[in-house]
Amino acid sequence: AQSVTQPDIHITVSEGASLELRCNYSYGATPYLFWYVQSPGQGLQLLLKYFSGDTLVQGIKGFEAEFKRSQSSFNLRKPSVHWSDAAEYFCAVVRSNDYKLSFGAGTTVTVRA
Amino acid sequence: EAQVTQNPRYLITVTGKKLTVTCSQNMNHEYMSWYRQDPGLGLRQIYYSMNVEVTDKGDVPEGYKVSRKEKRNFPLILESPSPNQTSLYFCASSRGQGGDSPLHFGNGTRLTVT
Repeated sequence: AQSVTQPDIHITVSEGASLELRCNYSYGATPYLFWYVQSPGQGLQLLLKYFSGDTLVQGIKGFEAEFKRSQSSFNLRKPSVHWSDAAEYFCAVVRSNDYKLSFGAGTTVTVRA
Repeated sequence: EAQVTQNPRYLITVTGKKLTVTCSQNMNHEYMSWYRQDPGLGLRQIYYSMNVEVTDKGDVPEGYKVSRKEKRNFPLILESPSPNQTSLYFCASSRGQGGDSPLHFGNGTRLTVT
């Protein structure tokens, strides 16, 4: 069975500080990996994705994520957060053999002034 | 503008009263799916469709029906809603089910069943 774990339910960060959101998955092969962001009252928007190649991927809004095969992780980072980054963030994993998609439970980010 | 449109945004109903949540996309996407979002559980897939007249169960299909008569539309039907179906529902579409096809989401439908 495939599962996606986002260990942090809620993170509070000061504006201008760095942010890292963790994502771990359990799947034997390398899956397709995504991060989505959900602003209040909105649907999910794709931040970035990883399929293959360079393990550090750049996304929109200044976000980046690093795939680490040895740790089965795909952590999301931003060097300096803005108040508009307050949202819920979801990691998603697609199995490469049958394209089964699973979402993590999400991490809510609060940005304090 | 490329988008996935869900209606209604908010819906309050009573147990047993049939309802339909509509979903339409204007991107000519083949793949469409429905999710429900519950606190602490993330998004769970209800049903998906690979193309017209092709639908399949996701992880939590009980109590739901779908149809895909046209490529652009993928309505979600609750024949006899129950309080445990109170949730936030999202429709999504993509070019294909392959891993290189990110999902495009609608803005959600918040359903309350009393």
